[in-house]
Amino acid sequence: QVQLVQSGAEVKKPGASVKVSCKASGYTFTSYYLHWVRQAPGQGLEWMGVINPSGGNTNYAQKFQGRVTMTRDTSTSTVYMELSSLRSEDTAVYYCTRDRDWGTFDIFDYWGQGTLVTVSS
Amino acid sequence: EIVMTQSPATLSVSPGERATLSCRASQSVSNNLAWYQQKPGQAPRLLIHGASTRATGIPVRFSGSGSGTEFTLTISSLQSEDFAVYYCHHKKTFGQGTKVEIK
Repeated sequence: QVQLVQSGAEVKKPGASVKVSCKASGYTFTSYYLHWVRQAPGQGLEWMGVINPSGGNTNYAQKFQGRVTMTRDTSTSTVYMELSSLRSEDTAVYYCTRDRDWGTFDIFDYWGQGTLVTVSS
Repeated sequence: EIVMTQSPATLSVSPGERATLSCRASQSVSNNLAWYQQKPGQAPRLLIHGASTRATGIPVRFSGSGSGTEFTLTISSLQSEDFAVYYCHHKKTFGQGTKVEIK
């Protein structure tokens, strides 16, 4: 069965960076784009960006350009999302989610369990 | 950038009643619209894609309709497990969510 398993919760100080991992299993890793979506406490869902695990190419939301880096390791079927220059407003749960239809951005069919990142001095 | 607007923000419904949730796009999105359910402490779950196609395993009481700019998610007879927040989604944009609560 398809699973996306994310790394554990993180606590970071303002200005630091965080790197969250998402390990995929149960399907061919390179056949599906993976997106990152975040959710601040009590708020809605916000799209951050996407990575094509096959070629490694990425597309980031303008809001995060220059601060976010998404990478992948095909040997372990894992994608990573690194966010730098953290501020308190980055406190959120970060989700990875699979794009069912090869990067159409239309259907996010499987989701990781979420990783809480807390930014606090 | 397309903006997705959901209404109402909160919907109070009694178990067994019908719930109707709306999502409006700022410009036409054809039928490229999905709905997700999210319960507290859980990741979102795909309910509907292509505006009206139920995802695998989703009960028939959930139905989606609409195209262009106006979309509706209907839950025909609310069960206790349906009280949650529902989001519509198009490409890189999510609506702000509708919370369905017990009346």
